[in-house]
Amino acid sequence: KAGVTQTPRYLIKTRGQQVTLSCSPISGHRSVSWYQQTPGQGLQFLFEYFSETQRNKGNFPGRFSGRQFSNSRSEMNVSTLELGDSALYLCASSLVQPPNSPLHFGNGTRLTVT
Amino acid sequence: AQSVTQLGSHVSVSEGALVLLRCNYSSSVPPYLFWYVQYPNQGLQLLLKYTTGATLVKGINGFEAEFKKSETSFHLTKPSAHMSDAAEYFCAVSEGGSSASKIIFGSGTRLSIRP
Repeated sequence: KAGVTQTPRYLIKTRGQQVTLSCSPISGHRSVSWYQQTPGQGLQFLFEYFSETQRNKGNFPGRFSGRQFSNSRSEMNVSTLELGDSALYLCASSLVQPPNSPLHFGNGTRLTVT
Repeated sequence: AQSVTQLGSHVSVSEGALVLLRCNYSSSVPPYLFWYVQYPNQGLQLLLKYTTGATLVKGINGFEAEFKKSETSFHLTKPSAHMSDAAEYFCAVSEGGSSASKIIFGSGTRLSIRP
């Protein structure tokens, strides 16, 4: 069974631009969670989607948004990029909502903002 | 809000030695606890999880963890370290309640193995 697929793998953007990251969950998984990973802050929870609805949200500004499609694929968008948004963005899928089933992570999208 | 604290950002052990990675949590409800491992340039992989029942949980690659409610701890151990165990390890807890699907991660412990 294919794992969680995140595209693109690497991304370089300029301050002020916007970016969209994509996540394809494991087949049959209905929940998708997004995390931001930085050396200073570690893993920070962004949001979790289940059945196309955002179920939980972390403490990030409104520039960070996401959505989930009917096939469970998810995208997250960051508008008006800032230098501090440079990070590894990890997507994780689970069969049902966590913690009732474990998170399965993709390899991440590394975003660099210049 | 739940939180998790990992003691020691870097642990170094010799090959064949005991591995002990420490994790303490705070939770106002019975916790769901997890250990994940991250190898360079990869996502995280589940090692083991505690939900209810037996407090000693066995995971993959010879790792195990013991849930101790009185100490609010969930330390990860492995009797004999292998070079391939070198990675970053994260303890995590479910937020609980209406935010149960929010999984909170500790700051991570980087494990190095000396030959």
